[in-house]
Amino acid sequence: DQQVKQNSPSLSVQEGRISILNCDYTNSMFDYFLWYKKYPAEGPTFLISISSIKDKNEDGRFTVFLNKSAKHLSLHIVPSQPGDSAVYFCAASEGGANNLFFGTGTRLTVIP
Amino acid sequence: DAGVIQSPRHEVTEMGQEVTLRCKPISGHDYLFWYRQTMMRGLELLIYFNNNVPIDDSGMPEDRFSAKMPNASFSTLKIQPSEPRDSAVYFCASSFGSVETQYFGPGTRLLVL
Repeated sequence: DQQVKQNSPSLSVQEGRISILNCDYTNSMFDYFLWYKKYPAEGPTFLISISSIKDKNEDGRFTVFLNKSAKHLSLHIVPSQPGDSAVYFCAASEGGANNLFFGTGTRLTVIP
Repeated sequence: DAGVIQSPRHEVTEMGQEVTLRCKPISGHDYLFWYRQTMMRGLELLIYFNNNVPIDDSGMPEDRFSAKMPNASFSTLKIQPSEPRDSAVYFCASSFGSVETQYFGPGTRLLVL
């Protein structure tokens, strides 16, 4: 059963606007969450993370929000750029374990 | 650093054949992970090693799949016999003691006819 879910397989956004990618999880024991970005023919690369003791983490144009009660996190990209076009994977881990549970990914297309 | 190296990048084989995927982790990393990416299930962890020892292989689909890590700089994932449903992209990743710093290789795209 999928413990991390990304229900939107794709998203298109105009350049300069905000991109919001969503992720839901079912395991309440998850305490660390990450976003990875993947370009075609490449492996995923780490983008940003958040611990369950926080509800927001910001890195430049990228901000991740965590709502523990709703078991929901989101990635905001502002402003969106054409180079942000990629597949974004949400991932979660439990209690310091070294395995990650990934979602199915959301393909973001930023239209120039 | 060359990053995580995987070979081959593409593999086309016929059902029933043995397939061996190879991975060279980043030097100094003590964790190595094998993932499979499919449209339906996204990225699934198959197995991971710590200091060359398999720690969790609960994601390995069935006995047709096996993985080894004979030393710190090399790992293999073998499928024998292969089936069309094994067609996917297989990623290897390595890290040094932290989940957030998993570095992924470029993947091996496997097609089983």
